[in-house]
Amino acid sequence: QVQLQESGPGLVKPSGTLSLTCAVSGDSISRNNWWSWVRQTPGKGLEWIGEVHHSGTSNHNPSLQSRVTISVDKSKNQFSLNLNSVTAADTALYYCASRGRFYGWTLDVWGRGTTVTVSS
Amino acid sequence: SSVLTQPPSVSVAPGNTARLTCGTSNIRLKSVHWYQQKPGQAPAVVVFNDNDRPFGIPERFSGSNSGSTATLTISSVEGGDEADYYCQVWDSTGQRVVFGGGTTLTVL
Repeated sequence: QVQLQESGPGLVKPSGTLSLTCAVSGDSISRNNWWSWVRQTPGKGLEWIGEVHHSGTSNHNPSLQSRVTISVDKSKNQFSLNLNSVTAADTALYYCASRGRFYGWTLDVWGRGTTVTVSS
Repeated sequence: SSVLTQPPSVSVAPGNTARLTCGTSNIRLKSVHWYQQKPGQAPAVVVFNDNDRPFGIPERFSGSNSGSTATLTISSVEGGDEADYYCQVWDSTGQRVVFGGGTTLTVL
């Protein structure tokens, strides 16, 4: 059973860097699918942040592209998100998810999500 | 680039049929996926590739995609179907995942 688990600081200061890690269990991160980050602000919809392939290739949401780095660590079977120059608008519930593992190219396995608050 | 338009809310009585729409120009040319999100839970796929269902999703959930509108149809709606529903496509031009704004389904 594939499981994803997000981890990282729940509080980040404005202008700082938000760093999250997603640990993948029950599967190899080196399979031919993508590993994604999605966020959701309170009471709002889903916003795709970006994704990475085990080869290191990544795609990003153009609205965040200049601030986002997504990387993969095959030795630890995990992938990470760095979002710099954060503001209060980056306060959200952050999910990691696999894309294209089981059901077409959907985001088909999700972590439980981790809440990140940007505040001084 | 794709902007997916979903009605903010849909209400339906139990046992009736709910039709949730997702619109953008020529959406018929894309594969549309649908997610259900219940309070406090992560989203889950209910329909993928326009009209396929993941294992374990009831046949009451079906999808269609034509012209500029994709539709998620939920027949014989139950109270447990109350949730937010999001459509999603892959924007090949922008190389990005795009979500609709979501529809809250209320079972009266």
